[in-house]
Amino acid sequence: AQTVTQSQPEMSVQEAETVTLSCTYDTSENNYYLFWYKQPPSRQMILVIRQEAYKQQNATENRFSVNFQKAAKSFSLKISDSQLGDTAMYFCALGSGGSNYKLTFGKGTLLTVNP
Amino acid sequence: GAGVSQSPSNKVTEKGKDVELRCDPISGHTALYWYRQRLGQGLEFLIYFQGNSAPDKSGLPSDRFSAERTGESVSTLTIQRTQQEDSAVYLCASSATGTAYYEQYFGPGTRLTVT
Repeated sequence: AQTVTQSQPEMSVQEAETVTLSCTYDTSENNYYLFWYKQPPSRQMILVIRQEAYKQQNATENRFSVNFQKAAKSFSLKISDSQLGDTAMYFCALGSGGSNYKLTFGKGTLLTVNP
Repeated sequence: GAGVSQSPSNKVTEKGKDVELRCDPISGHTALYWYRQRLGQGLEFLIYFQGNSAPDKSGLPSDRFSAERTGESVSTLTIQRTQQEDSAVYLCASSATGTAYYEQYFGPGTRLTVT
């Protein structure tokens, strides 16, 4: 069975500062994908960033980047220059194995960006 | 273009009644997923459709839950004899095809409340 753990239920950051959200996972597969999704109050899940496990280079998308530590099974999300619109629930997710469409989600981290 | 749409947005029903939730995926997406999100929790996989293949129903919590999809279009999730523990947000997603490589696009969800 695969698991995803987000140990920070809530975090806050001041606008324009940098924040890092933690995620650890467990899977016996070698080929898998990791994701960070954002869920604002509108409930619409939005993909923030994706990492293929076979790629050593950390993924980046504008202000969002990840620190992927495969041996440690760690996948943290760094948000730079935080904006008020970044306030949302953030979910880490794992897709692995032959049924890698079946994503396993963590419980989420509620991020609040303060003005 | 149009995203994934779900209806109704909110549904309140009495314990023991049947409910039907609808999902319209993005046109051309062959893969469709249903997830359940209980309050304060991550998403739980329920069921997956890929084209004309047999669906993966491994996440359905009981035989009161069923889902159908007509070809590569609309899907309905039916919950019979609803129970209070069925109260949750039900999210639908679609993707170009059914591997984790392809981004899952989510709808806004249906919030189900069983009284």
